[in-house]
Amino acid sequence: IAGITQAPTSQILAAGRRMTLRCTQDMRHNAMYWYRQDLGLGLRLIHYSNTAGTTGKGEVPDGYSVSRANTDDFPLTLASAVPSQTSVYFCASSLTGVDSPLHFGNGTRLTVT
Amino acid sequence: GENVEQHPSTLSVQEGDSAVIKCTYSDSASNYFPWYKQELGKRPQLIIDIRSNVGEKKDQRIAVTLNKTAKHFSLHITETQPEDSAVYFCAASSKTGNQFYFGTGTSLTVIP
Repeated sequence: IAGITQAPTSQILAAGRRMTLRCTQDMRHNAMYWYRQDLGLGLRLIHYSNTAGTTGKGEVPDGYSVSRANTDDFPLTLASAVPSQTSVYFCASSLTGVDSPLHFGNGTRLTVT
Repeated sequence: GENVEQHPSTLSVQEGDSAVIKCTYSDSASNYFPWYKQELGKRPQLIIDIRSNVGEKKDQRIAVTLNKTAKHFSLHITETQPEDSAVYFCAASSKTGNQFYFGTGTSLTVIP
């Protein structure tokens, strides 16, 4: 079934550790996004990529990095996790960017202790 | 950048009644306005969208209206059912901003 796959589903991480959240899509969408969702704050954009080989910063990029080596994969890395990064992380993709709808993955629930 | 405000934050209606959720945006260049429904513990899913060259769009019990002059758009759900209970998010996007901007969500509860 076509869609977006995120891994892991959930993770408990000690502060200071490095962590990569994985995201893969098989819809050949050009644009991909990482959002974090916190209660009362909605969905906030961390980083995005309009096409393979390019990335951009969103609203809350500090402490996170991304890469887009190919169309399908868009990993999100926390270099040194902090408790404020405890959140639910959603990867999303869209066919052509901001004029086509977002398709979301199932999310990764991350707890930093 | 764009600022999207969404109201109300919570909404309770009796089954069969209508529900209306309103959003305002600030960037006059915004031209695409999707709405997402998120059930508890699940991912957001698109339920309807509207583009700036259209004033209204309807899909069965769901409709969206857009007033470009006033910079606001609304989601209307008629004949609500318990399965409509969820959090609803509005969003706005423009190519100049190069990203989607989300409202903070409305938690809708439909009381049987």
